[in-house]
Amino acid sequence: AQTVTQSQPEMSVQEAETVTLSCTYDTSESDYYLFWYKQPPSRQMILVIRQEAYKQQNATENRFSVNFQKAAKSFSLKISDSQLGDAAMYFCAYRSYGGATNKLIFGTGTLLAVQP
Amino acid sequence: KAGVTQTPRYLIKTRGQQVTLSCSPISGHRSVSWYQQTPGQGLQFLFEYFSETQRNKGNFPGRFSGRQFSNSRSEMNVSTLELGDSALYLCASSPQPGQGSSTYNSPLHFGNGTRLTVT
Repeated sequence: AQTVTQSQPEMSVQEAETVTLSCTYDTSESDYYLFWYKQPPSRQMILVIRQEAYKQQNATENRFSVNFQKAAKSFSLKISDSQLGDAAMYFCAYRSYGGATNKLIFGTGTLLAVQP
Repeated sequence: KAGVTQTPRYLIKTRGQQVTLSCSPISGHRSVSWYQQTPGQGLQFLFEYFSETQRNKGNFPGRFSGRQFSNSRSEMNVSTLELGDSALYLCASSPQPGQGSSTYNSPLHFGNGTRLTVT
């Protein structure tokens, strides 16, 4: 069975600074997807970034980028130029490549605070 | 385009009662999945529906059930409520079940959830 681990329950960053959130996972599959979702106080889960395991290039979405290390089973999220609106709970998630399923396996989350 | 709509937003029930939660996916989305979010267990997959058929089920007791209608709207039901069922229940929709390359994949779109409190 696949597992996702986020070892940082809480993180804090100064506005305009850079912060990195950590995620490790365990799987025996060779192809899969990894995601970072953001959950603000409104409760709605919002997709931040997605990485396909067969792609060596790290995904980037504006101020958000990942460091995907497949051999180490590590998938960290870097937020550059942090903004107050980035404050939220961040979840790392895994999805199998095959099986015609949208089932996500989530980590326990990292609560990010942004200090003005 | 309207997002995923979950009703009600808040619900208070008593132990032993049953509850039905509703989820209307984004127009055109035919795949709906449900998750339970609690402080202790985090986010756990409940089940997934596509074209009115349950495609996948998480490790939850039989008290948790769901269904999907021909218009893709979905409901989940919890019978004989227990205190431990208090949670945020999230629904997510997608055009279809994910498979293979990204050509056939769209990200999940989540609703704002239903906060269920069991007293």
